[in-house]
Amino acid sequence: QKEVEQDPGPLSVPEGAIVSLNCTYSNSAFQYFMWYRQYSRKGPELLMYTYSSGNKEDGRFTAQVDKSSKYISLFIRDSQPSDSATYLCAMTEPAGGTSYGKLTFGQGTILTVHP
Amino acid sequence: NAGVTQTPKFQVLKTGQSMTLQCAQDMNHNSMYWYRQDPGMGLRLIYYSASEGTTDKGEVPNGYNVSRLNKREFSLRLESAAPSQTSVYFCASSGKGQGLRDTQYFGPGTRLTVL
Repeated sequence: QKEVEQDPGPLSVPEGAIVSLNCTYSNSAFQYFMWYRQYSRKGPELLMYTYSSGNKEDGRFTAQVDKSSKYISLFIRDSQPSDSATYLCAMTEPAGGTSYGKLTFGQGTILTVHP
Repeated sequence: NAGVTQTPKFQVLKTGQSMTLQCAQDMNHNSMYWYRQDPGMGLRLIYYSASEGTTDKGEVPNGYNVSRLNKREFSLRLESAAPSQTSVYFCASSGKGQGLRDTQYFGPGTRLTVL
């Protein structure tokens, strides 16, 4: 079983829809959670960053972390064609652990928002 | 700032040939990473360098070697390329005190095909 599981999709939605992307994980030591966005033929870029449990909002994007369920989500409101990309979740342990600096990624979800 | 740069952008090799992928960052980051990305597999860590002078194996190190040439540069070498190494290779860097712990900044990638 992979340490981080993410539904690869693909996911196709109409413009304006609410999109929900999810990851589950098995390592209870993970404390930092990130979402990266990757456009076609480009490198991933950081979209959202959350520490421990809770919600974080940035414009149309909301990241949620539920550590008790080992489950993280990314919501996109009023989705736009420009949101079409692959979304990767990533997570890591606190500083001082043996995995310092190393991120564990999900497989990525391919999202297409059509006009 | 150029961020993370990678050369070459594309490469075609024959089985058994060798090559070196180059990566450089101008963000004064301590840590650097090499990943490969294959369809449905997400990003898998090949090697990483937590600081200048150190390198460690990641999840899929077999068939690769790395050199942390200085703080800026981290190269990945394929000594005897195999078709299973056909992939997109990403270099990334991260640094302490950059605001968000362990945020990794990615290069544009190298598309490698081994025939």
